[in-house]
Amino acid sequence: AQSVTQLGSHVSVSEGALVLLRCNYSSSVPPYLFWYVQYPNQGLQLLLKYTSAATLVKGINGFEAEFKKSETSFHLTKPSAHMSDAAEYFCAVTRGGTGFQKLVFGTGTRLLVSP
Amino acid sequence: KAGVTQTPRYLIKTRGQQVTLSCSPISGHRSVSWYQQTPGQGLQFLFEYFSETQRNKGNFPGRFSGRQFSNSRSEMNVSTLELGDSALYLCASSLGGTPSGANVLTFGAGSRLTVL
Repeated sequence: AQSVTQLGSHVSVSEGALVLLRCNYSSSVPPYLFWYVQYPNQGLQLLLKYTSAATLVKGINGFEAEFKKSETSFHLTKPSAHMSDAAEYFCAVTRGGTGFQKLVFGTGTRLLVSP
Repeated sequence: KAGVTQTPRYLIKTRGQQVTLSCSPISGHRSVSWYQQTPGQGLQFLFEYFSETQRNKGNFPGRFSGRQFSNSRSEMNVSTLELGDSALYLCASSLGGTPSGANVLTFGAGSRLTVL
């Protein structure tokens, strides 16, 4: 079975500081990994995805993530936080193959950005 | 192009009632998945439909059911509502091709159900 672990239910940063949200995955087969963001009273929006191409993945809004197989990690980073980045972030894993492969989400990390 | 549309956005029901939620996927998307989001359990997979067939189902009781129509629109139904069914129900659509894991899910804004 696949799973993801997001370390830290809340992360606080100052505006302009580095954002680092941690995600570790468990998968018996090569995984596909995703980061989604959820703003209050909204659905989930895709930030970026890893599907076995480049290990450094660039997403929207200046976010990027690096797939590290040796560490089973897929941490999300952004060099400089903006107030508008305050939201909840979800890491998710699935796998390839025929048929349907469900997306398994982590418990989420709420990012707080202070002025 | 239009995104994933879920209706209604908010609804309040009482225990024992039933509820039907609707999801219109992005045009051309044939796969629709449903997730339940609660503060305690997080995001949990309910079921997925592709070309009117349920391909997979999560670990939910039989009170939770769904269907998909020929135009890919989907509905989910919850019968005999319980207080614990209060949640945000999210629908997501994708192309549904193979490998399915590479398909990106596009989510709707959700239907927030409150059971009193």
